[in-house]
Amino acid sequence: GENVEQHPSTLSVQEGDSAVIKCTYSDSASNYFPWYKQELGKGPQLIIDIRSNVGEKKDQRIAVTLNKTAKHFSLHITETQPEDSAVYFCAASTDKLIFGTGTRLQVFP
Amino acid sequence: KAGVTQTPRYLIKTRGQQVTLSCSPISGHRSVSWYQQTPGQGLQFLFEYFSETQRNKGNFPGRFSGRQFSNSRSEMNVSTLELGDSALYLCASSLNADPSGNTIYFGEGSWLTVV
Repeated sequence: GENVEQHPSTLSVQEGDSAVIKCTYSDSASNYFPWYKQELGKGPQLIIDIRSNVGEKKDQRIAVTLNKTAKHFSLHITETQPEDSAVYFCAASTDKLIFGTGTRLQVFP
Repeated sequence: KAGVTQTPRYLIKTRGQQVTLSCSPISGHRSVSWYQQTPGQGLQFLFEYFSETQRNKGNFPGRFSGRQFSNSRSEMNVSTLELGDSALYLCASSLNADPSGNTIYFGEGSWLTVV
C-alpha cells in the first residue's frame, strides 16, 4: 500500500528564516498532496494542497512543490513567524489520505 | 458555516468497555472519514463512509466499526477497549468521496483515554 515518509521530524528556525519540509511517497498513482498544520489540542488544518497536474503552488508565505518523477513533494515556508510553530503533516492520496509522520516546527523569536 | 463537530471531546473508559464517538460533518458534505492519532503511529486511516456505505477501510481489527446515517452524521464504535486504544480520534468530512477532487476538513477530535 501507499507509504509516505516525512523529514525532518523536528525543525527549529529563527524568526524570519525559511523552513522546508520534505516528503516522499511510494504509490505512483497518488494524485493529490495536501499539507496540514496541527496546533496543540486541535485537529489538523489544511494549509495548502497540490494536485498531480501542477508542479508548484504558492499562497502568500507558503509554497508546495511536486516532483512526480522522483515522487517527492515539499513544503516551503518563508519569513517564518512564531505563530507558524506547530506540527505539519504531509499526505498523499489515491482513494484515501495516507499521512507522513509529522514535523514539529519551532520558530524562535 | 459550522465546521466538523465531534463529541465527546474527552472521555475516559476502562479496559474491556466499549465507546461510541460521534461526528457531524460540514453541512452538505457526504463523505466522512475517521483517523486515529497516537504519538507512536501518527495519523492512521480507520475507515471512510459515503452515502451510508463504507467505501474504504484501514488495517484495524474488527473491534473498530463505524456507520453513517442518512443525514451524513457518522459514529464510530470501539468494543472491548484496550490500553493501546488510547488516542485522539479524528473525523474528517468532504463534499464527495474522491480525495483528489475534494478538500478534506478535520474536526477537533475526541480524546479517548483507556485505563
